[in-house]
Amino acid sequence: QMQLQESGPGLVKPSETLSLTCHVSGGPTTTRDYYWAWIRQPPGKGLEWVGSIYINGNTYYTPPLKSRVTISIDTSRNTFSLNLRSVTAADTAVYYCVRQPVVDGFDIWGQGTMVTVSS
Amino acid sequence: QSALTQPASVSGSPGQSITISCTGTSRDVGNYNLVSWFQQYPGKAPTLMIYEVSKRPSGISYRFSGSKSGNTASLTISGLQAEDEADYYCCSYVGSSTRVFGGGTRLTVL
Repeated sequence: QMQLQESGPGLVKPSETLSLTCHVSGGPTTTRDYYWAWIRQPPGKGLEWVGSIYINGNTYYTPPLKSRVTISIDTSRNTFSLNLRSVTAADTAVYYCVRQPVVDGFDIWGQGTMVTVSS
Repeated sequence: QSALTQPASVSGSPGQSITISCTGTSRDVGNYNLVSWFQQYPGKAPTLMIYEVSKRPSGISYRFSGSKSGNTASLTISGLQAEDEADYYCCSYVGSSTRVFGGGTRLTVL
């Protein structure tokens, strides 16, 4: 049974970089059947797809964040990571790492980690 | 890309059927049969309920069904139960391997 677990700081200062890592257990990140994605949810608001990465390193980002976000994958550690630069209070959210089947859907979610941007 | 449009809230009584709509455009919902639906309880991670417009993952009740007509996708829950009270989100492929979510719908079971 695959599980995903986010880790990283819960508090980030404005203008700094938000960095999160997703630890994947119960299966490899090298499978060609899935992308690996980040989705966020500001307090009291809806879900926002941030971006996804495939095993070949190809990345896809939501246009509003494209200039500030980088997603990477480390298959040797079975992890993938999110870096979001120049954060503001608007980036305060619960961040989920998610397994994304190649065809459609997001089928396995981490528990989510709350990141607050504040000085 | 703009968020897909969902009603903010819907409600129904136990045993009834309800439908949640998800309206996009000819560039997303209308152009691809790649719409998924998620159920989210407060403080919990979402759960995939429907993918590829109408397919149910293993373990999801038959009471949940999905459909699409033109630029609007729909999630129907039949035989409404108290445990169905949650937030529901749709999501569509919008091309170039990108996705967009709807704003979410709160379902209240009366």
